[in-house]
Amino acid sequence: GAVVSQHPSWVICKSGTSVKIECRSLDFQATTMFWYRQFPKQSLMLMATSNEGSKATYEQGVEKDKFLINHASLTLSTLTVTSAHPEDSSFYICSARNERKWAKNIQYFGAGTRLSVL
Amino acid sequence: DAKTTQPNSMESNEEEPVHLPCNHSTISGTDYIHWYRQLPSQGPEYVIHGLTSNVNNRMASLAIAEDRKSSTLILHRATLRDAAVYYCILGGTGNQFYFGTGTSLTVIP
Repeated sequence: GAVVSQHPSWVICKSGTSVKIECRSLDFQATTMFWYRQFPKQSLMLMATSNEGSKATYEQGVEKDKFLINHASLTLSTLTVTSAHPEDSSFYICSARNERKWAKNIQYFGAGTRLSVL
Repeated sequence: DAKTTQPNSMESNEEEPVHLPCNHSTISGTDYIHWYRQLPSQGPEYVIHGLTSNVNNRMASLAIAEDRKSSTLILHRATLRDAAVYYCILGGTGNQFYFGTGTSLTVIP
């Protein structure tokens, strides 16, 4: 089956530092990946769509300069939370869409990254 | 964004069938109906998806109304491992997913 690996699974950082989260599709190519965040007891909120070789598309209200997305290869997208503050503490989840025709409508999700900013 | 409506919570006894409903009255003709489930502190897991016809796989069945304005996810025999939040999501080919609040399923031993 399609596997998406997300790293790290949890991270604690000091306020003002930057944190990078990696999302890899292990056994398929993904020209499109997605980044979500989830606060406790809430649903997933789409942050941005990551496109291989081009700029990411951000959802309304998401600061592109704060949440930097790079999708440099067909199997890797990264999310960098710049100058993190306690309010950025959340569960960040990525997903990748399998571009094969038969699975084109399915997104496969990573296990998530728990970010705690002190 | 096409919206879905699901009950906030449901309960089921272990080894009994579970029917999880979803209403999507504003669905467009190209929207697929997707179901995912999420365990605490984990990413969502794909369950099933369909367009017009009912679908079956090893995890569940998906029953889609003839007018496509509603659907039902069927777990044939609930186990304790099926306790999760179940999300019904609409998405066309290449479209983003916008998650609703989902249904929290409790399985009673």
